[in-house]
Amino acid sequence: DQQVKQNSPSLSVQEGRISILNCDYTNSMFDYFLWYKKYPAEGPTFLISISSIKDKNEDGRFTVFLNKSAKHLSLHIVPSQPGDSAVYFCAASGTGNQFYFGTGTSLTVIP
Amino acid sequence: ETGVTQSPTHLIKTRGQQVTLRCSSQSGHNTVSWYQQALGQGPQFIFQYYREEENGRGNFPPRFSGLQFPNYSSELNVNALELDDSALYLCASSPRTGFYEQYFGPGTRLTVT
Repeated sequence: DQQVKQNSPSLSVQEGRISILNCDYTNSMFDYFLWYKKYPAEGPTFLISISSIKDKNEDGRFTVFLNKSAKHLSLHIVPSQPGDSAVYFCAASGTGNQFYFGTGTSLTVIP
Repeated sequence: ETGVTQSPTHLIKTRGQQVTLRCSSQSGHNTVSWYQQALGQGPQFIFQYYREEENGRGNFPPRFSGLQFPNYSSELNVNALELDDSALYLCASSPRTGFYEQYFGPGTRLTVT
């Protein structure tokens, strides 16, 4: 039962352009959403989060948008840099102290 | 400040055996969570320990068990290993219960043959 889905396994973007990574969820009880970045041979690193009471959160080049009615969130990276090339996971938590990751999107930023 | 460390890095076990994986949490962190990441998948939550007590569990059978020690380090034990248990096992520590501010270790790669 995949409660958090990332339907694009991979994404390629030119350096300097915008990267948009998408994530959908099914459980309306989720109230906190996070994005993690993962390099090979390392654990995931926290990137940015958003509470369900907000629809946007920005941190430097990274912005997360939440559309609760569509059960959809997205991560925008502007401008994209080659060092952003990694696997990005969205994740969600809610009541019952459970935590769910998506399957990940591999981002390649082309110099 | 030392980050989250895990040991061993890799190990190979035979089906039916038992395995213990270890995690040292970041200094000052009292909560540890364990995740299983199969190839090509996202990490799946196994369970969380807060101050030595289990504080939440994912959809994993009882043969997956854990411990947290007074210094907040943790162990993940898996009994009666199955081939599908082959995965990367990640541990994450955080300064409070829940899933905020999680810092992940590099993982232990378990192969079951």
